[in-house]
Amino acid sequence: ETGVTQSPTHLIKTRGQQVTLRCSSQSGHNTVSWYQQALGQGPQFIFQYYREEENGRGNFPPRFSGLQFPNYSSELNVNALELDDSALYLCASSLWDRASGNTIYFGEGSWLTVV
Amino acid sequence: GESVGLHLPTLSVQEGDNSIINCAYSNSASDYFIWYKQESGKGPQFIIDIRSNMDKRQGQRVTVLLNKTVKHLSLQIAATQPGDSAVYFCAENPAYSGGGADGLTFGKGTHLIIQP
Repeated sequence: ETGVTQSPTHLIKTRGQQVTLRCSSQSGHNTVSWYQQALGQGPQFIFQYYREEENGRGNFPPRFSGLQFPNYSSELNVNALELDDSALYLCASSLWDRASGNTIYFGEGSWLTVV
Repeated sequence: GESVGLHLPTLSVQEGDNSIINCAYSNSASDYFIWYKQESGKGPQFIIDIRSNMDKRQGQRVTVLLNKTVKHLSLQIAATQPGDSAVYFCAENPAYSGGGADGLTFGKGTHLIIQP
């Protein structure tokens, strides 16, 4: 158990629709990041939020957006869904600490299928 | 190309033997490395990490070795068990000291298969 929970676990959307995925971070973690993992590939960094502000972004278009709330939960929003958006979306939380570093824990992910 | 890659896509070992999974990275600015285990249908599970000021770190049945000279990382699993079957990813974070704003860079993964 990593303490990172995601919902929904599976969903199917139609091309052009919008989707919102949710994540509850591990207690006390102030940083949340989102990753996209296509079948047979490693996770790809989408973006990261620290204290409710985006402070890092990977190579993903603006239709991928997010929010982090005061309780450190987070949302990933994807607009104008494309077939290639079908993937496992992973949320990860961390608490940067000078002594222990930035250990990053992942949730089980949300499987998105775009048809 | 990817800055983190794995030498072998599939590794098959006998139960009880030791496993060694290798990883090469190309970003010399990376200073924090993590190994994850991912079972089918699940999210990546943290195994062990290492900072660039270390050469070796041991956990329970696992050891990570870091060779900064050749930019090579390895994960050793002692006395491999059937439950070790999974895909193993190495990941690097070049922004360890800054809080990880660049995110983790993962390789494609190595599928570890345990033979009975």
